Amino acid sequence: ETGVTQTPRHLVMGMTNKKSLKCEQHLGHNAMYWYKQSAKKPLELMFVYSLEERVENNSVPSRFSPECPNSSHLFLHLHTLQPEDSALYLCASSQDINRAEYGYTFGSGTRLTVV
Amino acid sequence: RKEVEQDPGPFNVPEGATVAFNCTYSNSASQSFFWYRQDCRKEPKLLMSVYSSGNEDGRFTAQLNRASQYISLLIRDSKLSDSATYLCVVNGDTGANNLFFGTGTRLTVIP
Repeated sequence: ETGVTQTPRHLVMGMTNKKSLKCEQHLGHNAMYWYKQSAKKPLELMFVYSLEERVENNSVPSRFSPECPNSSHLFLHLHTLQPEDSALYLCASSQDINRAEYGYTFGSGTRLTVV
Repeated sequence: RKEVEQDPGPFNVPEGATVAFNCTYSNSASQSFFWYRQDCRKEPKLLMSVYSSGNEDGRFTAQLNRASQYISLLIRDSKLSDSATYLCVVNGDTGANNLFFGTGTRLTVIP
């Protein structure tokens, strides 16, 4: 048990579908993140939340819409995705956005395939 | 220029061998350094932080060279279970919201 839980583990969706990814952390952390991992590429930071407030949006297309209702939950709403959006989407949390010394704890990820 | 650069490998080594990975980073203001391990189709997991004076955890030794801006990971007495991708991670500046990940180095330990 990593302390960060993501659902679903796998998702196949059509380009016209709407779906949501869910992340929950049980660690009492204040910061949560969405990352995208594509084959042979480094992890790409998508969104950063600190105490439910979005502090960073790394030029992510509007077809990805994050939501953070409280400091333990993070969602990524998906709509009208493209096949190139197929990737592993990882949620992570950290103790505090201003403290990097403990790194991140990752969830197990959602493997998304857009058809 | 990439924030973090690693040799992607793959490194194929026999059991019991010693293997070393290097990683370079571009931001001289970086203050936090980590090695993560990622198994196939799984999430990255923190292997160890890297401290200025170097640190050891069992068979794993991490070193930091600030002057040359590189980090190394040494694995002694390799086990089959060490087969994974090793990610070098550096924070770009102060704070946790600015971690940069390398593409990873793939290690396969062969019986």
